Amino acid sequence: RKEVEQDPGPFNVPEGATVAFNCTYSNSASQSFFWYRQDCRKEPKLLMSVYSSGNEDGRFTAQLNRASQYISLLIRDSKLSDSATYLCVVRGPSSASKIIFGSGTRLSIRP
Amino acid sequence: EPEVTQTPSHQVTQMGQEVILRCVPISNHLYFYWYRQILGQKVEFLVSFYNNEISEKSEIFDDQFSVERPDGSNFTLKIRSTKLEDSAMYFCASSDIFGGAGETQYFGPGTRLLVL
Repeated sequence: RKEVEQDPGPFNVPEGATVAFNCTYSNSASQSFFWYRQDCRKEPKLLMSVYSSGNEDGRFTAQLNRASQYISLLIRDSKLSDSATYLCVVRGPSSASKIIFGSGTRLSIRP
Repeated sequence: EPEVTQTPSHQVTQMGQEVILRCVPISNHLYFYWYRQILGQKVEFLVSFYNNEISEKSEIFDDQFSVERPDGSNFTLKIRSTKLEDSAMYFCASSDIFGGAGETQYFGPGTRLLVL
């Protein structure tokens, strides 16, 4: 099993739609979880951290399910500017552990 | 807004040559990282650096690689004898917190290295 696994997509959805991605991780002792976005040929940028209780930032909601070892990202009312690759990132099991990136899920929003 | 900068943006080198990739992290950050991304593949962790020493490194970061913070602002990655498979985008990142959900790593724009 890969350390961090994501559906590569692409997800092609119309503007205004709601879209959700999941990401699974193999190490049950992992401690920190993040969603980054990466535009084509650009650097990754932090979208949001994922807290145990779940968290929301505007149109974006992140959830963590430790029992099933997955995190999710929900995007509501999607905009054209949301088109990007979304990277699931996991650090664990200790705060000194290296960060592991998933391969990313490509999202394309069409007008 | 403060940002991480990297130079050069592109580097072409011959196999077997040494390259040095340069990064200027955000000024008040204490934790520094190098990642690489081979075209079409995922971002891979290479090394983290704190307090003038390596705190963590991956299996990729072998004896051909070294990092240095030669002064108060620059953070460099050296590849001693480049191989074809070293061709990739190399990202530098920095953060003011290490570990935990509050950690935000800020990435530089990357150096695209091509080894011929």
